[in-house]
Amino acid sequence: SQTIHQWPATLVQPVGSPLSLECTVEGTSNPNLYWYRQAAGRGLQLLFYSVGIGQISSEVPQNLSASRPQDRQFILSSKKLLLSDSGFYLCAWSVARSYEQYFGPGTRLTVT
Amino acid sequence: AQSVSQHNHHVILSEAASLELGCNYSYGGTVNLFWYVQYPGQHLQLLLKYFSGDPLVKGIKGFEAEFIKSKFSFNLRKPSVQWSDTAEYFCAVNDKGGGNKLTFGTGTQLKVEL
Repeated sequence: SQTIHQWPATLVQPVGSPLSLECTVEGTSNPNLYWYRQAAGRGLQLLFYSVGIGQISSEVPQNLSASRPQDRQFILSSKKLLLSDSGFYLCAWSVARSYEQYFGPGTRLTVT
Repeated sequence: AQSVSQHNHHVILSEAASLELGCNYSYGGTVNLFWYVQYPGQHLQLLLKYFSGDPLVKGIKGFEAEFIKSKFSFNLRKPSVQWSDTAEYFCAVNDKGGGNKLTFGTGTQLKVEL
């Protein structure tokens, strides 16, 4: 069966520090991968998606970037965190050509 | 771009009450519709989905949703809620363009009281 992992589960970082959040999927090949940010009362905002290794599409211009160095690995990064980057970050995957997405447990990021 | 509206942001019900959560979307083409649920401390998980066929779809835990194309709606229903249904519920619709993207509503926080 397929599983999705995210780490770390929680993270507290100072303003201006770098960020690296990792997401990996097991049990499937060539998935579509997604990064979302969830804010209370605002639903899920799609940040990035990827349909293959090295292929990244950005949905919202911001202080973050994403990379997909391996088929089932998706990384969310920042060179310098802002206070506004605080939030709950969710990774999701889907079978290629399917809209049905499966979500990871999320990372709670607090920028201080 | 697609947009999704969930008009009920917070709903409080007593156990055994009936539930209906509204979801409306803007794009009128072929749609794939989803309801996801996030129980406290748990992953966001799929509750039910509609791709085609019978517009009344049934999901897990006694939930159902009805696709009404003329109203651009996909409302979630449950005839009798339980305390364990306390959670946040999100409606989602496929977006146009590549990547098989979904657009999510802002969510409805449901609290079921004993």
